[in-house]
Amino acid sequence: SQQGEEDPQALSIQEGENATMNCSYKTSINNLQWYRQNSGRGLVHLILIRSNEREKHSGRLRVTLDTSKKSSSLLITASRAADTASYFCATVRSGYSTLTFGKGTMLLVSP
Amino acid sequence: NAGVTQTPKFQVLKTGQSMTLQCAQDMNHEYMSWYRQDPGMGLRLIHYSVGAGITDQGEVPNGYNVSRSTTEDFPLRLLSAAPSQTSVYFCASSFHTQDTGELFFGEGSRLTVL
Repeated sequence: SQQGEEDPQALSIQEGENATMNCSYKTSINNLQWYRQNSGRGLVHLILIRSNEREKHSGRLRVTLDTSKKSSSLLITASRAADTASYFCATVRSGYSTLTFGKGTMLLVSP
Repeated sequence: NAGVTQTPKFQVLKTGQSMTLQCAQDMNHEYMSWYRQDPGMGLRLIHYSVGAGITDQGEVPNGYNVSRSTTEDFPLRLLSAAPSQTSVYFCASSFHTQDTGELFFGEGSRLTVL
């Protein structure tokens, strides 16, 4: 069963705008990760945030984690057309070693 | 450095046929896994391995078999293909096991079962 659920399912914005995607999960976790998938390609790891961390940055990406609400958000600032892709959150549940993925958010950035 | 290599990229099977999807990684990763991706379902874990000689079932293991005789290779076998196994299959590997870190994915194998 899906551990993480992304919201919204689809997001359409203009270049230069910020994009925010949310992820909710059900059980306690070791870490939460975000991946990007371009159409027809494999997934690419973006960022990992551990359960004892609240915020992480990587370039134009900012990830927050609220373990009390069992939720995370991914912010992409100053979006570019090349950011068009599907974005997935994935969690490692406490006591497990496997990664469980959500269903993804499809982001479309128009020039 | 090739990373994770999957073959074939595309395959069409008839119901009841068997086949093996190949996965190889050259990063000396202990952890390897197979996922299937279906529209609206995200990625679901089929089988995984934390090292040579060790395999375990994921969320949707029925109809699939795996083995891990070497660190580099993790083939996925479809024993008797069914239309419900039409999907895109991804192999992924990671250096970490107990606290799974970044997964490196192959480019996928698109399978159609008629």
